[in-house]
Amino acid sequence: GNSVTQMEGPVTLSEEAFLTINCTYTATGYPSLFWYVQYPGEGLQLLLKATKADDKGSNKGFEATYRKETTSFHLEKGSVQVSDSAVYFCALTNTGNQFYFGTGTSLTVIP
Amino acid sequence: DADVTQTPRNRITKTGKRIMLECSQTKGHDRMYWYRQDPGLGLRLIYYSFDVKDINKGEISDGYSVSRQAQAKFSLSLESAIPNQTALYFCAIGQGDYEQYFGPGTRLTVT
Repeated sequence: GNSVTQMEGPVTLSEEAFLTINCTYTATGYPSLFWYVQYPGEGLQLLLKATKADDKGSNKGFEATYRKETTSFHLEKGSVQVSDSAVYFCALTNTGNQFYFGTGTSLTVIP
Repeated sequence: DADVTQTPRNRITKTGKRIMLECSQTKGHDRMYWYRQDPGLGLRLIYYSFDVKDINKGEISDGYSVSRQAQAKFSLSLESAIPNQTALYFCAIGQGDYEQYFGPGTRLTVT
């Protein structure tokens, strides 16, 4: 079956710290992988995506590389800001029909 | 204007009442989805639809029904609400590029 496992939070970092949020997946075939972000009181927004092995998705200073050999898609950012405080979800889809989401990781960045 | 609109944004109801949550979109996407979000469980798919004649059950469809009244409208009904249906409900839309766009959510409380 298809599933996504991401590191449990909450995560608290100081401003300008390095961020890693781990995500591993189980899937049949060759899924597309995503990171979504949810700011307080809002719906999810696509942060970045990768559609094939070794692709790197990037946006707003965040990056994630599709690693088929380790079935991982870890989210990284070199220097977080207070405005990055949000909940981050890793997700996959095999066909575009159904999406499978991780449980979310809450990030709080303190000044 | 928002691409995906959900009404109501908040609703408190009593056990046994029938509730309808509505979703409409302006992007002309074919695919529409209903998810619920619970703390620690992430997003779980309730139903999805690829057009007005195509409705599919998701992971947790029991206790819910849907109607695709038009290409732009997709409503979710709880025929007889129960307290464990208290959650945050999201509508999402999608197209062939596999990205999903989410509405702002409906917070439902069943007492």
